[in-house]
Amino acid sequence: EVQLVESGGGLVQPGESLSLSCVASGFTFSSYGMNWIRQAPGKGLEWVSYISSSTSIIYYADSVKGRFTISRDNAKTSLYLQMHTLRAEDTAVYYCARKKGIAVAGASDYWGQGTLVSVSS
Amino acid sequence: QSALTQPASVSGSPGQSITISCTGTSSDVGGYNYVSWYQQHPGKAPKLMVYDVGYRPSGVSDRFSGSKSGNTASLTISGLQAEDEADYYCSSYTSSSTYVFGTGTKVTVL
Repeated sequence: EVQLVESGGGLVQPGESLSLSCVASGFTFSSYGMNWIRQAPGKGLEWVSYISSSTSIIYYADSVKGRFTISRDNAKTSLYLQMHTLRAEDTAVYYCARKKGIAVAGASDYWGQGTLVSVSS
Repeated sequence: QSALTQPASVSGSPGQSITISCTGTSSDVGGYNYVSWYQQHPGKAPKLMVYDVGYRPSGVSDRFSGSKSGNTASLTISGLQAEDEADYYCSSYTSSSTYVFGTGTKVTVL
C-alpha cells in the first residue's frame, strides 16, 4: 500500500524558516517524481514544487521561487521542502504527492494527509 | 499563472449526470493532454479521479469520465450518488513546466 506521511508543520512568525518532510513507503520511491502541493484554509489547491526521481529536474511555482527548496533522499525514501522567509500567504496545509508515471508531466496519483504550516505574528 | 476557471458550484439529483468545466488557455489545458481531476471531501486529501484528460485510475468508478475540447476540459459524473458530494479540482501542466489548478467546484447532491 502506497503511503506518504508528511511532518514538520507548525506555527512560525513571518520571515522565519521551516522544513517539511514526507516519508514514503509501499512503492519504489526512487522511481517516481514527487510534488509538493498546498491548500490555504478554505481555499483551493496550489502546486508548489516538483522534483524528478533522480533530482535532475526541479521546478517551482513563481510564488515560492527563491524562498523554497525541494530535495529528496532516495535512500531514506524521503522528500523535503525547506521554506525560508515565510509570509502570511504561505499559511496552508502542505501535501506531498507522487507524480504518476515516468514522464515529467502528469497527475499526482497518491497524496499524503498533509501538514499544516501557519505563518503569523 | 492564473488558476483555471471552474464553476463555483454544480448540483444534481441522485441518478442524474452533471458536468464540470475547466477553462484555461493554449498554454495549459489547450496545449497538453495532461489534464487531471481530483475529488476532495472535507478534511481529506485530494483523490485522483481522472488523468491525462480521459483516463481513470484503477479503482475509480466508471461513472467518472473526462474529456477536452480546445482550451476547456470537462469532468462528467453520471448516475450521481450521495458519496459524490465533494469539491472537485482540475489541474493542467503548463508551458512554463509548472502545474496550475482550477478554482474548484462544489458538487451538491440534492
